[in-house]
Amino acid sequence: KAGVTQTPRYLIKTRGQQVTLSCSPISGHRSVSWYQQTPGQGLQFLFEYFSETQRNKGNFPGRFSGRQFSNSRSEMNVSTLELGDSALYLCASSLGASSNEQFFGPGTRLTVL
Amino acid sequence: AQSVAQPEDQVNVAEGNPLTVKCTYSVSGNPYLFWYVQYPNRGLQFLLKYITGDNLVKGSYGFEAEFNKSQTSFHLKKPSALVSDSALYFCAVRDMGRGNTPLVFGKGTRLSVIA
Repeated sequence: KAGVTQTPRYLIKTRGQQVTLSCSPISGHRSVSWYQQTPGQGLQFLFEYFSETQRNKGNFPGRFSGRQFSNSRSEMNVSTLELGDSALYLCASSLGASSNEQFFGPGTRLTVL
Repeated sequence: AQSVAQPEDQVNVAEGNPLTVKCTYSVSGNPYLFWYVQYPNRGLQFLLKYITGDNLVKGSYGFEAEFNKSQTSFHLKKPSALVSDSALYFCAVRDMGRGNTPLVFGKGTRLSVIA
């Protein structure tokens, strides 16, 4: 079974631009979560989607948004990029129950110049 | 809100010695607890979880963790460390006393196993 895939793997943008990251979950998984990983803050929760509905949202500004499609693929968008948005963005999928472990993709490394 | 603390940024241990990576949590209800490992330039990999039942949970690669409700801890352990265990370890908790809550991660502990 193929794992979680994220595209692109690396991205370089400048301040003020916007970016869209994509995540394809493991086949059959209906839940997708997004995290921001930085050296100082560890993993910070962004969003959780289940069957196209946002189930939870982390404490990030409105510039961060996401969505999930009917095939469970998910995208997240960051508008008006700031230097502090530079991070590794991780996507994880699971079957959906709270007790299920999450399976992580390799991440998208975003650098904002 | 739920939270998880990993009090040590770095743990060093000699190969063959037992290792412990500490984790404490705070929730309003019952916790679902998880450990993940991250190797360089890779995503996180699931190691083990505690949902209910036996307090001692066994997971991948010889790791185990003990759920201690009175101390609100879920420390990760391995009887004999390998150099290949060197990685970044994350503890995570989901608070089941508040409906649908997200999985919250600690800041991670870097484990270095020295040959």
